[in-house]
Amino acid sequence: AQKVTQVQTEISVVEKEDVTLDCVYETRDTTYYLFWYKQPPSGELVFLIRRNSFDEQNEISGRYSWNFQKSTSSFNFTITASQVVDSAVYFCALIRGSSYKLIFGSGTRLLVRP
Amino acid sequence: GAVVSQHPSWVICKSGTSVKIECRSLDFQATTMFWYRQFPKQSLMLMATSNEGSKATYEQGVEKDKFLINHASLTLSTLTVTSAHPEDSSFYICSAPNGGGHTDTQYFGPGTRLTVL
Repeated sequence: AQKVTQVQTEISVVEKEDVTLDCVYETRDTTYYLFWYKQPPSGELVFLIRRNSFDEQNEISGRYSWNFQKSTSSFNFTITASQVVDSAVYFCALIRGSSYKLIFGSGTRLLVRP
Repeated sequence: GAVVSQHPSWVICKSGTSVKIECRSLDFQATTMFWYRQFPKQSLMLMATSNEGSKATYEQGVEKDKFLINHASLTLSTLTVTSAHPEDSSFYICSAPNGGGHTDTQYFGPGTRLTVL
């Protein structure tokens, strides 16, 4: 079975704090793709990152960084020095190599307080 | 990045009427588009896959006659909610993979909020 689990339903931090959003996935496929999307209050899903199963290299983009570990089936997302504009719901998602369906986690609602 | 638009962004209609939602890929062609539904504070649920030039593929439990999908061109897919009822009120979002492959990154439209009175 394919599944994406985001155990953190809501996280509240004060501006400038670092915050990590956890994502654990399940799949039997050896080829798969992982994604993070941001959904601000406006509702539009914004693509943040894509990672292939054969590329475990971590990535940093500005204040965002992602840690992909196949050994623990995790693809965690860290925001450094959080800002109020980071407040949104963040979704982790998975596509199996043999499928077309984007499987979403339940999402983590992040609130950054000034 | 790739841009996907949706129209309208919100619609209010009376029970029993039909509502059409358009999804367009603005700067790339999409032979496949996806339609999702999202309830408040919940994740996205895939409703159907729209295929240019052929019939849509619906997920289990989604009524084909209720949610009509037409993929008229390589940049346009439409979702028509027929004989809408209050329980159809939801946030509908479309997406399209930029690259044509089914595992390519999906880019999402801004969504359409449907309210049925």
